[in-house]
Amino acid sequence: AQSVAQPEDQVNVAEGNPLTVKCTYSVSGNPYLFWYVQYPNRGLQFLLKYITGDNLVKGSYGFEAEFNKSQTSFHLKKPSALVSDSALYFCAVRHSGGYQKVTFGTGTKLQVIP
Amino acid sequence: EPEVTQTPSHQVTQMGQEVILRCVPISNHLYFYWYRQILGQKVEFLVSFYNNEISEKSEIFDDQFSVERPDGSNFTLKIRSTKLEDSAMYFCASSYEGIGNQPQHFGDGTRLSIL
Repeated sequence: AQSVAQPEDQVNVAEGNPLTVKCTYSVSGNPYLFWYVQYPNRGLQFLLKYITGDNLVKGSYGFEAEFNKSQTSFHLKKPSALVSDSALYFCAVRHSGGYQKVTFGTGTKLQVIP
Repeated sequence: EPEVTQTPSHQVTQMGQEVILRCVPISNHLYFYWYRQILGQKVEFLVSFYNNEISEKSEIFDDQFSVERPDGSNFTLKIRSTKLEDSAMYFCASSYEGIGNQPQHFGDGTRLSIL
């Protein structure tokens, strides 16, 4: 079985400050890890992924994420938050062994305060 | 950039009625998925579809649900006899590959309201 935990329901950060949205995962074998963002009344928009290689992954809109195998974490980060980054963020995991199912976390609401 | 499109955006149906949710995946994608998101809860996998057959499904995807690719472009989810607890956002997704590192691309969803 595979699972994802996003321990924070909401993260508040001031505009211009760095932000971190936390994610930990559980999967047997090697994981494929993803971050998606959801704006109100919209679908899930792909931000970035970790497959293999460099532990620091860069994605869309200045976001990056750091894969830490020993801590089974894949935290989303951005050096300087924008008000427009306010949205719901989902971490997701997929088994690399051929299963297609993606398992999502419960989501973290990011609120960037002007 | 190509998009996954879903229709309708909102569907209101009486309990016990059949409903069909429609999706047009990205044209060169080969794998298709349905997910649902009950209000305020996480996104849950329902089913994946490849080569005109279901390749994986969750425990949620019981006999009331079916999927079909009736032509070269559409991918549908049918709920045979809707229940109140079927009220949710339903997201269609597609990917070029099902195995591997390709992300799934999502539509904007259909909000299904069962009365």
